[in-house]
Amino acid sequence: QVEIQQWGAGLLKPSETLSLTCTVYGGSFSGHSWSWIRQPPGKGLQWIGEINGSGSTNYNPSLKSRVTISVDTSKTQFSLKVNSVTAADTALYYCARGGVGATRSIGYWGQGTLVTVSS
Amino acid sequence: DIVMTQSPDSLAVSLGERATINCKSSQSVLYNSNNNNSLAWYQQKPGQPPKLVIYWASTRESGVPDRFSGSGSGTDFTLTISSLQAEDVAVYYCQQYYSTPITFGQGTRLEIK
Repeated sequence: QVEIQQWGAGLLKPSETLSLTCTVYGGSFSGHSWSWIRQPPGKGLQWIGEINGSGSTNYNPSLKSRVTISVDTSKTQFSLKVNSVTAADTALYYCARGGVGATRSIGYWGQGTLVTVSS
Repeated sequence: DIVMTQSPDSLAVSLGERATINCKSSQSVLYNSNNNNSLAWYQQKPGQPPKLVIYWASTRESGVPDRFSGSGSGTDFTLTISSLQAEDVAVYYCQQYYSTPITFGQGTRLEIK
């Protein structure tokens, strides 16, 4: 059974850096893609980006200039940083596990972290 | 980016009746290497993360009841719930994973009539 636990600061001021980390328990780590997805309150899902066990990343072009996703396979952890946050970055942030290879549907999700950006 | 458009935005169906949600992609999501469509469906209930229901357009995730089915190919896809149960009330999202950025539909809210 796979479990993903996520943590990080939930209240930020504009221009600060959002930082979240997920630890994965169970299942294979290196063989999967690991994604970050966010959901503004009452709205739909936006894919932020992904990383694989080798450290190769893909980012949403709409956020690419401000986002860094990293991985530590020895700790089965992956992390998200978003620079220069604004109120528009207020959302529930999820980390999640994609499938193997081309199967990038997302079968396991973290519990979500609500990040609020407010002065 | 591939734009995913769902219809309708909301849907009310009587218990035991069929529910149908449509999803259209702005370009084909057929993955030629395995001849499958890179399309998934998720169910999200209030206060919970999304749950994978269908992947590769028609493959039911383990543990998902068989009243859920997915169909379609190329750019047009459908999620069908054959006999609506009270626990199926949720928002449903389609997602393409054919190319990055991975994109989702806007969601369809399913309610009981």
